[in-house]
Parts: sequence; structure tokens; C-alpha cells
Amino acid sequence: KAGVTQTPRYLIKTRGQQVTLSCSPISGHRSVSWYQQTPGQGLQFLFEYFSETQRNKGNFPGRFSGRQFSNSRSEMNVSTLELGDSALYLCASSLDSPGASEAFFGQGTRLTVV
Amino acid sequence: AQKVTQAQTEISVVEKEDVTLDCVYETRDTTYYLFWYKQPPSGELVFLIRRNSFDEQNEISGRYSWNFQKSTSSFNFTITASQVVDSAVYFCALSAYIVGTGNQFYFGTGTSLTVIP
Repeated sequence: KAGVTQTPRYLIKTRGQQVTLSCSPISGHRSVSWYQQTPGQGLQFLFEYFSETQRNKGNFPGRFSGRQFSNSRSEMNVSTLELGDSALYLCASSLDSPGASEAFFGQGTRLTVV
Repeated sequence: AQKVTQAQTEISVVEKEDVTLDCVYETRDTTYYLFWYKQPPSGELVFLIRRNSFDEQNEISGRYSWNFQKSTSSFNFTITASQVVDSAVYFCALSAYIVGTGNQFYFGTGTSLTVIP
């Protein structure tokens, strides 16, 4: 079956702009989690959505937001981009809570803010 | 609080050598899950294994084996007869259930493994 699909794979944006990233989970999976990966901070949890509801949120500013649609696809949005937002953004798909069930990751979206 | 420590930042081995990647975790929860993921240069985190806190049985899958010891809060990963294709960054992760909010992963900082031909 198809894996987790993230689009786009690469993105270059200018400071101050906003960006939307997309994640299509594995069919049947209802939980989508988002993570930011940077060389300095490693992998950090952004938020988790389950059946269109944000169930858990990490310690990121309000510029980072997300949503989940009825087909479980999820988007995350970053407004007023800063240079420090440059990172690999990964989403994870799982049947239920990531941990309680196996979680599978997409290839990520590499965002560069210039 | 949950925490995962991977003290080995980089490891280099010669092909066919065995290598063990260390993972030490901290949690006060009695129910938790431990994971290992492999991240090749392409960026995707590839799932390797998931264990729950009640199952301390060691596991072997081909050249991979995992040693889970609650007494030392460790979940170490051994690759036997390493191959060049094993070169990647390996992450250990902990997930614990929080009532009302579900789970999230707490990742270690990763161990970069280079297998030299």
C-alpha cells in the first residue's frame, strides 16, 4: 500500500512569507503528527491531529498551525517565516496514537527561508 | 518528563563488523513505547522496531537485534555484519500516553553510522 506522501519535497521562501505543507497519510490511518528537524534542535514535535481534531501540541509559536481534513490529509501552515524556520518538516501517520500503534514517516518537506 | 539520550554522535565501522547503537531513556510512565528509526540521506524516517514497556523480550530481525532492559532504561540496537547500506542516522524514540492528549515522540539526537567498505 502507498506510504506517507508529503508535498512539496523542497521549498524556498522569503522571510515574512507564509507557507503551507501537505501530508497524505497511509490509507486508514487517522492520526497525523508533524515534526521539525533542524541540525541544532534535532527532531521536535509540532502537533498531532486525529479525526480532524488537534489532540496534542508542542512548544512552538502560534505562527505554526495545522489542520486535518475528513480524509485524514493534513496541512501545516507557517506564517511570517523567519530564517530559523528553515528545516526538514516530517509528518508521521499512524492508526491511532503514535506509539500505541506503529508510526510511519514521509520523506519530508525541506523548507529553506532566505 | 520524557527524555532519550543517544550518547554516540558518530560511529564508523569497517564493513562486516558488528556495531551497537546505545539508547537510554527516562520516563515516569509505566506504559510507554520505544522505537528505532533509520534516516538515510533522502530524509525519510524508516521504521525499524516498536516495543512496549511490558515486553522486555529481545528481538532479532535478520542482521538487526534489539536489547531492551528496563533495569537500566536502555534499548540498544545491534547490527551484525554491517554493510555499506546500513550507513545512515539512527534515531531512538520514546512515546508515552498522556490522558486526554495522546502520544508524541521524544527523539534522541541520533547516531550517525558510517560503514566503510
